[in-house]
Amino acid sequence: DAGVIQSPRHEVTEMGQEVTLRCKPISGHDYLFWYRQTMMRGLELLIYFNNNVPIDDSGMPEDRFSAKMPNASFSTLKIQPSEPRDSAVYFCASSKNQGLAGPRNNEQFFGPGTRLTVL
Amino acid sequence: SQQGEEDPQALSIQEGENATMNCSYKTSINNLQWYRQNSGRGLVHLILIRSNEREKHSGRLRVTLDTSKKSSSLLITASRAADTASYFCATATRIQGAQKLVFGQGTRLTINP
Repeated sequence: DAGVIQSPRHEVTEMGQEVTLRCKPISGHDYLFWYRQTMMRGLELLIYFNNNVPIDDSGMPEDRFSAKMPNASFSTLKIQPSEPRDSAVYFCASSKNQGLAGPRNNEQFFGPGTRLTVL
Repeated sequence: SQQGEEDPQALSIQEGENATMNCSYKTSINNLQWYRQNSGRGLVHLILIRSNEREKHSGRLRVTLDTSKKSSSLLITASRAADTASYFCATATRIQGAQKLVFGQGTRLTINP
């Protein structure tokens, strides 16, 4: 298995531009998570999906951020318009619900991340 | 706000020594997980301990959980240079069927050869 795939790995853009980050979860996983990591705030959960449906988006910082999961193998995180304070590493993670008794109960598998720099 | 708080923030030891990292949290949890992050990479799951467990082992890793004190520790025995990384604890609560993880700020571990 290739693991969670994210693209691009690096993105440099100018303030005001639209940014789209992409994620392909591990095949068969039914949960997908988007995180943001910064030195100041650490690793923050932005939103997660179950079976392509957004379940909790309380971590999305503001309306400039949106996420979609049109099918089980693809998700996007969009920032429009981007601002310098959005600069961070954005991670996508996926997991498979094994129920409470599952041996690796909802272990999350992370992608390599997208390093976003907004100038 | 961050649920898990790791202590220390940074730890530097000699190869072969044991490394201990601590994590404290505030609310009830389903389980607590430890992850490792190498520089420039994503997080990798190391070990999970359920709320009804007190200790768990996996290779050179030993995790303890004290729910009365809302704290956990990760012990890496006989450390190696390859263990150099940041280590994060993540507390898991179940919301609408999914496990929501809240990560701490992490401990940066450096193993000196």
